[in-house]
Order: sequence, then structure tokens, then C-alpha cells
Amino acid sequence: DAGVTQSPTHLIKTRGQQVTLRCSPKSGHDTVSWYQQALGQGPQFIFQYYEEEERQRGNFPDRFSGHQFPNYSSELNVNALWLGDSALYLCASSLASGGSEKLFFGSGTQLSVL
Amino acid sequence: EDQVTQSPEALRLQEGESSSLNCSYTVSGLRGLFWYRQDPGKGPEFLFTLYSAGEEKEKERLKATLTKKESFLHITAPKPEDSATYLCAVQGPLYGQNFVFGPGTRLSVLP
Repeated sequence: DAGVTQSPTHLIKTRGQQVTLRCSPKSGHDTVSWYQQALGQGPQFIFQYYEEEERQRGNFPDRFSGHQFPNYSSELNVNALWLGDSALYLCASSLASGGSEKLFFGSGTQLSVL
Repeated sequence: EDQVTQSPEALRLQEGESSSLNCSYTVSGLRGLFWYRQDPGKGPEFLFTLYSAGEEKEKERLKATLTKKESFLHITAPKPEDSATYLCAVQGPLYGQNFVFGPGTRLSVLP
């Protein structure tokens, strides 16, 4: 049973560039959430996708956008990158109708902005 | 606004030396409190969910407890492989509501 997979694992960009991160949820899951984790901090919620729509959003600017595809996979896009966007980006999947709403995380994409 | 704090920030134990990690939270109606383990360069790995005050869950050397304001993760006779960052998260009352994570406790267990 494949867990949550994310690509790429590492990425280096320069300020002002744009980046796209990808996530495939755990088999059977239909909800994808994205989190940003700065070094030494806990994950911060960016947004959540369900049925191809953004269902919730955290306190992140519009430079952060996303998409969910019919197969439940998801993308996170960040425009106009700046140094402060350097972080581990985590994708988590869950089942909307599940009795337990625990999140299953991927290994993350480490983004470095120079 | 939902908030989670964890203490201590870092903890160093000798192998076999039991201790507890603390997670204090404020949330407008707790749907669930979650404990995760995170190894360096990896995503968080689920450990426990607690739903109501007085509830306890155990897994190997770990035991999680919950009160109305805090949760404890007790580690009994830890081994070096228990070294990791332990994250606590809360979910508010709405179905599907996002998780709010604490900053974590970095645990090091020395042989």
C-alpha cells in the first residue's frame, strides 16, 4: 500500500521565481492538506483540498495556490518566491468520511530559496 | 485562536531514564488531540489520537494522556531509537477542520 508520495524531494530556487510541488495521497484518501514547516518549528497549515476545491485556507498570502486533480493528487504553487519561503513543505492526506481524521504525511519537499 | 505550546523545547535522556513531554492547548472545542513523531528530513508519523479528558493510549514505551488543558506523552525506559521530535496537534470542533501543531519537543536518548 503506497503511502503519501511527494516530488521533488529537494529544490533550489532563486528569489522571484515560481515553484510547483506535487503530492499523491495515500491509496483510498480523498483529502489533501499542505503544510509549511520552517526549521525548528511545527508544521503550519497552508490549505486543504477536497473534491477538487479549496475547502480551508490558513494565514498564507495569495502567492500560495493549489490544485487537486480528479485522481485526488495535488499541486502546491508558490509565486514570487522570497527567502522566507525556504522550508520543508509537507503534504498530508486523509479520508473525509473516515471516523478517525488522522493525517498521513509524505516525506516532504525541502525548498531552498537563494 | 487555537494555540498549542510544548515543553520542554529539547530533552536529553540516558537510555532507560523515563520522562514526560508536555503539550498545552487552547481550542474552542476539541475534536481531537494528536501526537506525531518526526525523524530528521522525514514527515511526521502518527502515534496517537485522544478525544476526551481522561483518555489514555499506549504503544510500546509510549503512553499519552489527556486533560482539559494539556496532554502528556510519557516515555518509559527509552531507547536510542526513540530519539526524534515529538509533535502535538489539535483539531477544532468542525468536521475536517485543519490541525494546529505545536513547535515540538526534540528528544535525544543517549546509549
